[in-house]
Amino acid sequence: DAKTTQPNSMESNEEEPVHLPCNHSTISGTDYIHWYRQLPSQGPEYVIHGLTSNVNNRMASLAIAEDRKSSTLILHRATLRDAAVYYCILFNAGKSTFGDGTTLTVKP
Amino acid sequence: DSGVTQTPKHLITATGQRVTLRCSPRSGDLSVYWYQQSLDQGLQFLIQYYNGEERAKGNILERFSAQQFPDLHSELNLSSLELGDSALYFCASSVRGSSYNEQFFGPGTRLTVL
Repeated sequence: DAKTTQPNSMESNEEEPVHLPCNHSTISGTDYIHWYRQLPSQGPEYVIHGLTSNVNNRMASLAIAEDRKSSTLILHRATLRDAAVYYCILFNAGKSTFGDGTTLTVKP
Repeated sequence: DSGVTQTPKHLITATGQRVTLRCSPRSGDLSVYWYQQSLDQGLQFLIQYYNGEERAKGNILERFSAQQFPDLHSELNLSSLELGDSALYFCASSVRGSSYNEQFFGPGTRLTVL
């Protein structure tokens, strides 16, 4: 199964952009790249997903490398409410593989 | 609130016992997923159902089984429980269960096996 690798933790200052990287060097052509985040004592929450092209939504942007072996989640202006564990996940035919996630700390 | 409900919220039981976790998907969602989150293994995909049929299987133990009923709710049955089965169990739902569909997660059931 494809795996994802993320840094264990990252810090950001409030209202500054945050770039969360993810490596998925064994990705297959039909794997979708999803990002979810999990707040303490809650279930994961969808953030964004893509296949080959960069994607934007109201929450974030997703930049996907041309060879698709890595991606970056971009939070344009981090807020205190963005502090969470961010997971980069590959979905394919219903199956998913979670990385260990990046714990994002946002400092006021 | 994601619209996915899970019961019970907490469950405490003993080794060797059997429990059933229940999940109701969001209205209109046909696909249900089950995940296990433990401290040592992180989040793991267990199994997916689509409109009553099993669609995908992950790292689900043989002691575990699941089903999705005609009203689309799903149950995860865990039997011959071991201490290592203590974890958070999440259910998620999506519209069609495709790889590009957003999944909506429930609040989870915390299982403690003593």
